[in-house]
Amino acid sequence: KQEVTQIPAALSVPEGENLVLNCSFTDSAIYNLQWFRQDPGKGLTSLLLIQSSQREQTSGRLNASLDKSSGRSTLYIAASQPGDSATYLCAVRPGGSEKLVFGKGTKLTVNP
Amino acid sequence: GAVVSQHPSRVICKSGTSVKIECRSLDFQATTMFWYRQFPKQSLMLMATSNEGSKATYEQGVEKDKFLINHASLTLSTLTVTSAHPEDSSFYICSAITPPSYEQYFGPGTRLTVT
Repeated sequence: KQEVTQIPAALSVPEGENLVLNCSFTDSAIYNLQWFRQDPGKGLTSLLLIQSSQREQTSGRLNASLDKSSGRSTLYIAASQPGDSATYLCAVRPGGSEKLVFGKGTKLTVNP
Repeated sequence: GAVVSQHPSRVICKSGTSVKIECRSLDFQATTMFWYRQFPKQSLMLMATSNEGSKATYEQGVEKDKFLINHASLTLSTLTVTSAHPEDSSFYICSAITPPSYEQYFGPGTRLTVT
């Protein structure tokens, strides 16, 4: 059974800092991996999608990497801003399944 | 990115009544839609998977007679909470996927309060 773990559970940083959020999964047989952000009381916003054949994806100040063989992904946020404060969720789509398996998230607070 | 909408965004209903929540993919045709619920400060819990024109597949422990799901078209799925009770109060979120990327897009959520 696929399990997704995110470390740390919470992170507080000063504005301007570069930071890394970690995600690990137990079964390397995945179709893709997605990173989302969720603001309080809101739905999920897709940040980056990495297909199983890809190593990384970039969007603006965000960079996500995938090491499928070791079961790890990282989300790098450059020059963090208070508006980046949210809960970040990592989810994998196991091969042969349409469902996503979510981690419990990392709650990020960027202090002005 | 693709847009998924939900309606209503908030609903308050009395115990014993039914409430319908709509999920629409606005700019793409969704082969599959999903329904989740989320309790405060907890992660998403998948309730069911919905494919257009076929019966929904419910996760273990989810009552199919209580949470009726209809996926009538490639752009619309509905969740009806029947005979709602206060314990059904929650945040309900839908999502949709489409080939070839199968990237999952989420709606903004519906806050249901049962009084």
